[in-house]
Amino acid sequence: AQSVAQPEDQVNVAEGNPLTVKCTYSVSGNPYLFWYVQYPNRGLQFLLKYITGDNLVKGSYGFEAEFNKSQTSFHLKKPSALVSDSALYFCAVRDGGYNQGGKLIFGQGTELSVKP
Amino acid sequence: NAGVTQTPKFQVLKTGQSMTLQCAQDMNHEYMSWYRQDPGMGLRLIHYSVGAGITDQGEVPNGYNVSRSTTEDFPLRLLSAAPSQTSVYFCASSSRVRRSNEQFFGPGTRLTVL
Repeated sequence: AQSVAQPEDQVNVAEGNPLTVKCTYSVSGNPYLFWYVQYPNRGLQFLLKYITGDNLVKGSYGFEAEFNKSQTSFHLKKPSALVSDSALYFCAVRDGGYNQGGKLIFGQGTELSVKP
Repeated sequence: NAGVTQTPKFQVLKTGQSMTLQCAQDMNHEYMSWYRQDPGMGLRLIHYSVGAGITDQGEVPNGYNVSRSTTEDFPLRLLSAAPSQTSVYFCASSSRVRRSNEQFFGPGTRLTVL
């Protein structure tokens, strides 16, 4: 069965420092991986995706993610954190092929807190 | 485009009551899904649809029904509400044409069952 794990419930970072939010996955076949962000009392916003190609994927708001096939990881990164980056972050993997509904399997989420 | 819209934003039910959560999208997406979000558990798939007239169960379908009579709408029905269904519900849609199928989410419905 396909699964996604986010090993940290919470990540605390000082503003201006680099941040990393970790994600590991277990899938059969080639993974389609996604990061979403949820601000308080809001829906999920798409940040970035990995389908194929370059292992470093760039997304919205200065975020990027590194796909590592040997370590089955897809960590989210940002070189310099902002207080406004504080939110709940979800890693997800597509379940099934592209013609099977696009449904996602989510990790449990990581709360990112950026302090001034 | 309004994207994915959900109504109501908040709802309080008593145990045993039924209700329908509405979801609509105006992006002509073939795929639509319902998820529930619970603390520490991420989002879990309830039901999904690959097109009008076609629905299937997800990970946690018990106690919920769906139908998809049009491309735009995908309502979620709670048949007899239970406290365990207290959660935040998100509807999402995605395009079959875009092979990556990234999903677009609505703002959510916060449901409390007393």
